[in-house]
Amino acid sequence: DGGITQSPKYLFRKEGQNVTLSCEQNLNHDAMYWYRQDPGQGLRLIYYSQIVNDFQKGDIAEGYSVSREKKESFPLTVTSAQKNPTAFYLCASSPIGTTGTDTQYFGPGTRLTVL
Amino acid sequence: GENVEQHPSTLSVQEGDSAVIKCTYSDSASNYFPWYKQELGKGPQLIIDIRSNVGEKKDQRIAVTLNKTAKHFSLHITETQPEDSAVYFCAASSGGSNDYKLSFGAGTTVTVRA
Repeated sequence: DGGITQSPKYLFRKEGQNVTLSCEQNLNHDAMYWYRQDPGQGLRLIYYSQIVNDFQKGDIAEGYSVSREKKESFPLTVTSAQKNPTAFYLCASSPIGTTGTDTQYFGPGTRLTVL
Repeated sequence: GENVEQHPSTLSVQEGDSAVIKCTYSDSASNYFPWYKQELGKGPQLIIDIRSNVGEKKDQRIAVTLNKTAKHFSLHITETQPEDSAVYFCAASSGGSNDYKLSFGAGTTVTVRA
């Protein structure tokens, strides 16, 4: 079964704790992305990566960190420095085409709640 | 950077009627415009997309139109059904052949009344 998996589906964390969200894809896509979605709002880009061992900050990177050690995996760490981490987190991946931006495919999401 | 505005924020239609959602973008270099459907608690699913070299694209009951001059694009859903109820997002590429980012609209909650 090809696709993007995110785990866990629900995550609870106490204030002051770091937490890591998993994202794996078996679509052989070069690019991977992390978005944050708040109720009634669109998707805001946190970090993205176009190649292994390289990644760039998106619009709201403060308080987050990522790594891209393997093509298939792009974990996101929500650090204690993120002031309002409760949100729905979405991972996406896309091939990189000759014309530039290509279709992004999304995982099922992880809902993070800070207690 | 790219700025995408989406209207309306909510849309209620009678089953069988049409639904239209409109988006505008700011970066004239944007060349890719996908539409996503998101059901409650799930990730967005691509339903249709269009590139800047095409003015219209249709897939069964769904169509997208693009006006590059005016920098706006629209989603049209005909013969709406209850399963069309969801949140719909438009997006635009941030522009440039080496830029792989999408900027998203704030979403439209569509409710189809039976």
